[in-house]
Amino acid sequence: DTAVSQTPKYLVTQMGNDKSIKCEQNLGHDTMYWYKQDSKKFLKIMFSYNNKELIINETVPNRFSPKSPDKAHLNLHINSLELGDSAVYFCASSQGSPYRSYNSPLHFGNGTRLTVT
Amino acid sequence: AQTVTQSQPEMSVQEAETVTLSCTYDTSESDYYLFWYKQPPSRQMILVIRQEAYKQQNATENRFSVNFQKAAKSFSLKISDSQLGDAAMYFCAYRSSATSGAGSYQLTFGKGTKLSVIP
Repeated sequence: DTAVSQTPKYLVTQMGNDKSIKCEQNLGHDTMYWYKQDSKKFLKIMFSYNNKELIINETVPNRFSPKSPDKAHLNLHINSLELGDSAVYFCASSQGSPYRSYNSPLHFGNGTRLTVT
Repeated sequence: AQTVTQSQPEMSVQEAETVTLSCTYDTSESDYYLFWYKQPPSRQMILVIRQEAYKQQNATENRFSVNFQKAAKSFSLKISDSQLGDAAMYFCAYRSSATSGAGSYQLTFGKGTKLSVIP
């Protein structure tokens, strides 16, 4: 059983299009994340939700909008795609809440390679 | 803000030998967590090992062990008896133990070390 699954695995699209990446976790975790890995393999946090509430919103263009319909899902919608958006996007989840701290690692999905042409 | 530095962009090791990957970090906190993740060519991010800062004993997981030097803010990963399957990008990561605020949830990653294993 896949713990954190994200779809699609690959996404090729043209500049200006709107696309979505879906993520689901079946680990019962409270917190979900989106990370971006650039061409140099650097991983950077984009967003994080805890129990459907946005808790981390890094300096990401407004064209990126996360949506969390429930604590098991965190989708990423991207409007007006640009060449610079090409990257691998990772969804992740971890145990944790605003009131307790856990020694809980992040569990990652397998990534979505987005290519904008 | 915390920063994580991996000073070795690439490393190589002979199969069956031992290799150590270095990681240093900068923080003003006294309690935190440290992790090593492995990313093989398949792109999957795999947890290798974790260490709580309040524990003096170094973590070990089979062939993987860490050398945690809190005062020096150093967290190196040692891989013993290297195998071809160990070839991957290795990322060191820091997580705050803060019970509130955005820093308590996210991992801050280093830029990674690409490990090659020579048969």
